[in-house]
Amino acid sequence: DVKVTQSSRYLVKRTGEKVFLECVQDMDHENMFWYRQDPGLGLRLIYFSYDVKMKEKGDIPEGYSVSREKKERFSLILESASTNQTSMYLCASRPLDRPAYEQYFGPGTRLTVT
Amino acid sequence: KNEVEQSPQNLTAQEGEFITINCSYSVGISALHWLQQHPGGGIVSLFMLSSGKKKHGRLIATINIQEKHSSLHITASHPRDSAVYICAVRYLGAGNQFYFGTGTSLTVIP
Repeated sequence: DVKVTQSSRYLVKRTGEKVFLECVQDMDHENMFWYRQDPGLGLRLIYFSYDVKMKEKGDIPEGYSVSREKKERFSLILESASTNQTSMYLCASRPLDRPAYEQYFGPGTRLTVT
Repeated sequence: KNEVEQSPQNLTAQEGEFITINCSYSVGISALHWLQQHPGGGIVSLFMLSSGKKKHGRLIATINIQEKHSSLHITASHPRDSAVYICAVRYLGAGNQFYFGTGTSLTVIP
């Protein structure tokens, strides 16, 4: 079974703090994705990576950065957290040679910024 | 503006009822995907459709390419079907990026 894990299920941070959300997958997938999910807006892509040290902006990259130093780990960074970044964050991974719909999602991190 | 519309947004059903969730999109797609999100956030894939109809157990998914519309049906619903159901589309020319609907929250009451 493919496993995508995220470092925290629930996180509470203060405005202005630097926040790291970690995602690890154990199946040697090339592609990894970070989404946020908000009521009424659905899932929106923040960033994705198709290889180590490679990254591409998604639909809503503002206020976020990412890091992929190792193939199995994709980190989402909020440089200075703001209340409008309170959301559910979902990580996903996908092997390069599989159809695009075969994304494997992690359990999600519910981040609250106060 | 989210171009993938789902309806209804929330749905409560009695156990055993037949359930339909709808998804419509605005332009040509290469694939449509139905996802199920359990309480706690984890998402699993249910179906991928590019045409016609697919069935898996009590779940049936249909797509009408001309009308740009897909439906997910659950027959003989059960409380364990309670989840958020999400429609995702990959638009023609959009590469590998998916665009997600807002989700339908289903609660099945015993």
